[in-house]
Amino acid sequence: KAGVTQTPRYLIKTRGQQVTLSCSPISGHRSVSWYQQTPGQGLQFLFEYFSETQRNKGNFPGRFSGRQFSNSRSEMNVSTLELGDSALYLCASSLAGAGEAFFGQGTRLTVV
Amino acid sequence: KNEVEQSPQNLTAQEGEFITINCSYSVGISALHWLQQHPGGGIVSLFMLSSGKKKHGRLIATINIQEKHSSLHITASHPRDSAVYICALSTLIQGAQKLVFGQGTRLTINP
Repeated sequence: KAGVTQTPRYLIKTRGQQVTLSCSPISGHRSVSWYQQTPGQGLQFLFEYFSETQRNKGNFPGRFSGRQFSNSRSEMNVSTLELGDSALYLCASSLAGAGEAFFGQGTRLTVV
Repeated sequence: KNEVEQSPQNLTAQEGEFITINCSYSVGISALHWLQQHPGGGIVSLFMLSSGKKKHGRLIATINIQEKHSSLHITASHPRDSAVYICALSTLIQGAQKLVFGQGTRLTINP
């Protein structure tokens, strides 16, 4: 059974640009959550999607958005990138939102 | 005050030693997760606990709901156990799980 797949693994962007990250959950999992990890703040919850609906959102500005498709794949978008957005972005999938979460390898975003 | 506190922040030990990492929290939870993160970033879920104790190989996790405390133990530690161990609180909001993470414990096992 394939695990959670995140693409791309590494990304370098310039300030002001926008970026889209992708997460393919484990087959059958309908919940996808996104997290940001920085050295200063650690891991922080961004948002959670279930059946194409955002059910939960963390304390991040509106520049951070996401969506989920009918096949449960999810994308996260960050617009008007800032240097402070440089981080490891992780997604996790679970069957229905509660229960064990399975994490992807992450996308390391560097904003220059 | 953070909702979840891990200790110690850093731990260095010799191969074979018994390791304990602690996690204390201050809010009501539906479950607690122990996660392992190796250099490179990928996170592996080790345990999800809502009560009692779980064991998987050389790893043991316990939780005391009344005292709001959990521990992760590693018996017969090995250099390959070197990683960051993260405790995460799970709360359910409208059926959706939200994880709140500790700062992590960086474990180094020397041969």
